[in-house]
Amino acid sequence: RKEVEQDPGPFNVPEGATVAFNCTYSNSASQSFFWYRQDCRKEPKLLMSVYSSGNEDGRFTAQLNRASQYISLLIRDSKLSDSATYLCVVTRYSSASKIIFGSGTRLSIRP
Amino acid sequence: DGGITQSPKYLFRKEGQNVTLSCEQNLNHDAMYWYRQDPGQGLRLIYYSQIVNDFQKGDIAEGYSVSREKKESFPLTVTSAQKNPTAFYLCASSPRTGEDEQYFGPGTRLTVT
Repeated sequence: RKEVEQDPGPFNVPEGATVAFNCTYSNSASQSFFWYRQDCRKEPKLLMSVYSSGNEDGRFTAQLNRASQYISLLIRDSKLSDSATYLCVVTRYSSASKIIFGSGTRLSIRP
Repeated sequence: DGGITQSPKYLFRKEGQNVTLSCEQNLNHDAMYWYRQDPGQGLRLIYYSQIVNDFQKGDIAEGYSVSREKKESFPLTVTSAQKNPTAFYLCASSPRTGEDEQYFGPGTRLTVT
């Protein structure tokens, strides 16, 4: 079993829809969590950090559920420009060798 | 402008040749990382460095080598011992190791034939 797992998708939703996807992790010692966005053939870019209390940035909301060991990303009022692959990242404090990237969830927004 | 640069963007080599990928950052970050990404897969850590003159192997270090002689620079050499070198190589940096978000360079696509 992979340490970090994501549904690869693709999620194909109409513009304006709300879409959510999860990322599960297996190591309960994991401490830091992030969502990155990666456009086709480009580098990943930080979308948001995920805090225990959850956090929101405009149309994007990220949440952490430590008990069930998953993080989630919710996108409201989706735009065509949201089409990308979303990577979750799980790390353990002060251990660079334990930065684990999920394989990504592909999202496609249709007009 | 602060950021991370990688060069070249595309690189083609014949099998059996060593090749060095460049990574430079002017963010004054202590930590730097090299990842490899294959189609449809997540990033896998090759090497990382927490400080100048120090670096550690990641999950897939075999066939690769690095150096960290300057804080700003972390070049990666793909040696002929790397069995499947064709991939997208991404360099990243972070203020410190592990818990901080990482900032990525634009990547180098290496094709070995």
